[in-house]
Amino acid sequence: EIVMTQSPATLSVSPGDRAALSCRASQTVSSSLAWYQQKPGQAPRLLIYGASTRATGTPARFSGSGSGTEFTLTISSLQSEDFAVYYCQQYHHWPLLTFGGGTKVEIK
Amino acid sequence: QVQLVESGGALVKTGESLRLSCAVSGFTFSDHYMAWIRQAPGKGLEWVSYTSNSGSTIYYADSVKGRFTISRDNARNSLFLHMNNLRADDSAVYFCARFAAPGTGGHLDVWGKGATVSVFS
Repeated sequence: EIVMTQSPATLSVSPGDRAALSCRASQTVSSSLAWYQQKPGQAPRLLIYGASTRATGTPARFSGSGSGTEFTLTISSLQSEDFAVYYCQQYHHWPLLTFGGGTKVEIK
Repeated sequence: QVQLVESGGALVKTGESLRLSCAVSGFTFSDHYMAWIRQAPGKGLEWVSYTSNSGSTIYYADSVKGRFTISRDNARNSLFLHMNNLRADDSAVYFCARFAAPGTGGHLDVWGKGATVSVFS
């Protein structure tokens, strides 16, 4: 079983600050990692895939990095619309898919 | 415009059955693997089941294996989730989602708004 661990569970950040969210895999997932953003009452939205490729419509302030077991989603300057929950998901071990537990980014 | 619209969510008793539907538009449905993912109240995302574009290859999470059945009708651009013997811990919002790359799995690039299933005893 592949376990995806996200940290921290909650990140308190001021608008305009930089935020770094971590996702760790229990075994290598190569670069087969996606990040999703979910706002309350909404469906998740794809932000990043292939660990670092922005999906269509993802603002440039979002960047993904890492490979193997350690990944980071960085938001360079938080905007009000970025306060949400973020999930990572591995798809290297297809057909097994695994989501991380999520990181909530809240206003400090 | 690519769109996924779930329907069929309801309040049901434990042990009962329910069928969720996902109506698809705006893309060639028969080209894409599709998935059901659920989210219990206040919890994270859990994949439930997914099907290949032809419907010939199907996977289930262990938590629903033997109780849920995924199916698709490519002629009607629809995805289904038949849920039998429902339990309280099946209560969740169920999202229909599309795998991005035609003909394979991976990441999910389009999601529906979700259908709410509540199971009570």
